[in-house]
Amino acid sequence: LAKTTQPISMDSYEGQEVNITCSHNNIATNDYITWYQQFPSQGPRFIIQGYKTKVTNEVASLFIPADRKSSTLSLPRVSLSDTAVYYCLVGDTRDSSYKLIFGSGTRLLVRP
Amino acid sequence: EPEVTQTPSHQVTQMGQEVILRCVPISNHLYFYWYRQILGQKVEFLVSFYNNEISEKSEIFDDQFSVERPDGSNFTLKIRSTKLEDSAMYFCASRGDRQGKTTDTQYFGPGTRLTVL
Repeated sequence: LAKTTQPISMDSYEGQEVNITCSHNNIATNDYITWYQQFPSQGPRFIIQGYKTKVTNEVASLFIPADRKSSTLSLPRVSLSDTAVYYCLVGDTRDSSYKLIFGSGTRLLVRP
Repeated sequence: EPEVTQTPSHQVTQMGQEVILRCVPISNHLYFYWYRQILGQKVEFLVSFYNNEISEKSEIFDDQFSVERPDGSNFTLKIRSTKLEDSAMYFCASRGDRQGKTTDTQYFGPGTRLTVL
């Protein structure tokens, strides 16, 4: 499983766009990139998943450059409720033994 | 929107007692998982389960742990003789088997907080 590296913490203010970048230099050909959000004492919540280029859904965008060695989660106009830990994970989601290996994540603090 | 549910939300037990944590995965999913998170630490993989058998387990998942899918809906984690260090949040997750699709996401339940006294 490819190791990921992301900032330990980030601060932002309400209404700003937040970009969290994750490095995954050893990503394999069949690996997908998945981001989860976790609030204290709650289960991780799926945000977005992608393989290459750009993916957008109702809550976030995911930018993946051509070499796929990094990815950036973009949260538009954050609010206080976006304060959480964000995890970047990579793996072959089609593998029958696919399991999630969580790192420490990025603690995002959104200030008023 | 379908979701994974877990019961109880909080379980308090005495050291040495057996506990069973219950999960109802998303109904059409085929792969099931248990993870745990000790307070302030990372989410850790415990075990994966498919086709009524364990697919993979971590070093944490020793002989004190077992999993079962007793019927078509429930997925349980049993800890035979709890230790103080078993105190943690336990999360169940499930994912589907969409053959031919290119993505397959794990969805997590809200967790059970286990406190061992």
